[in-house]
Amino acid sequence: DAGVTQSPTHLIKTRGQHVTLRCSPISGHKSVSWYQQVLGQGPQFIFQYYEKEERGRGNFPDRFSARQFPNYSSELNVNALLLGDSALYLCASSFSAGAGTEAFFGQGTRLTVV
Amino acid sequence: KQEVTQIPAALSVPEGENLVLNCSFTDSAIYNLQWFRQDPGKGLTSLLLIQSSQREQTSGRLNASLDKSSGRSTLYIAASQPGDSATYLCAVWYSGYALNFGKGTSLLVTP
Repeated sequence: DAGVTQSPTHLIKTRGQHVTLRCSPISGHKSVSWYQQVLGQGPQFIFQYYEKEERGRGNFPDRFSARQFPNYSSELNVNALLLGDSALYLCASSFSAGAGTEAFFGQGTRLTVV
Repeated sequence: KQEVTQIPAALSVPEGENLVLNCSFTDSAIYNLQWFRQDPGKGLTSLLLIQSSQREQTSGRLNASLDKSSGRSTLYIAASQPGDSATYLCAVWYSGYALNFGKGTSLLVTP
C-alpha cells in the first residue's frame, strides 16, 4: 500500500510568485493536514482538512490557502512568496479528523524562494 | 498554549549504548503523544503513538513512556546502532486538530 505522496519533491520559486503543492493521502484516509518546517525547528501546523472541509487553521497569513478534493487529495497554495516561506512543507494523512488518530507524513516538498 | 520541549537538543553516543530522549509539555490535557524519526531533508516516520490513557508503548528496540500528570515522555532506544542516527521529534495532540511539535533531538551513533 502506498504511503503519503507529495509532489514535487523540490521547487525553486522567485519572490512574489505563486506555488501549488500537492498531497495524496494513504488509501482510506480522509483527513489531510499541512505543516511547515523551517531548518532547525519542529513542524508548524498550517491547515487540516477532513471530508473536503477545513477543520483547523494555524497562525499563517491569508497568502496560504488549501483545499481537499473528492478523492481526498489536497493542494496547498501560497501566493506572493516571501524569502521566509522557504521551508520543508509536510503533508500528514489520518484516517479521521479526531485527535488521537495516528498521523502519517509524506516525504515533504522542499521549497526554496530566491 | 501548549509548549513542547525536547532535551537534549543533540546527542552523540558510541554504538551499542542504551539511551533516553526526553520530551516535556506544559499542558497535561493532551489526547495522545507521538514520536517521530526524521532523516536529514526527509519527511517524518512515525515510531510510536501513546494514547492519553496508556503509560507506554514498545516497538522492537524502542520503548516510549508517558506521564501526563508530570507532562513528560521518554523514548528509550536499546542497543543503539549507526542506523539510528537521525532527528527524533516528539509531538502532542492538544487542540484536537493539530500536532504540537518539539524542536527535536539530533542523535548521532558512532561506530
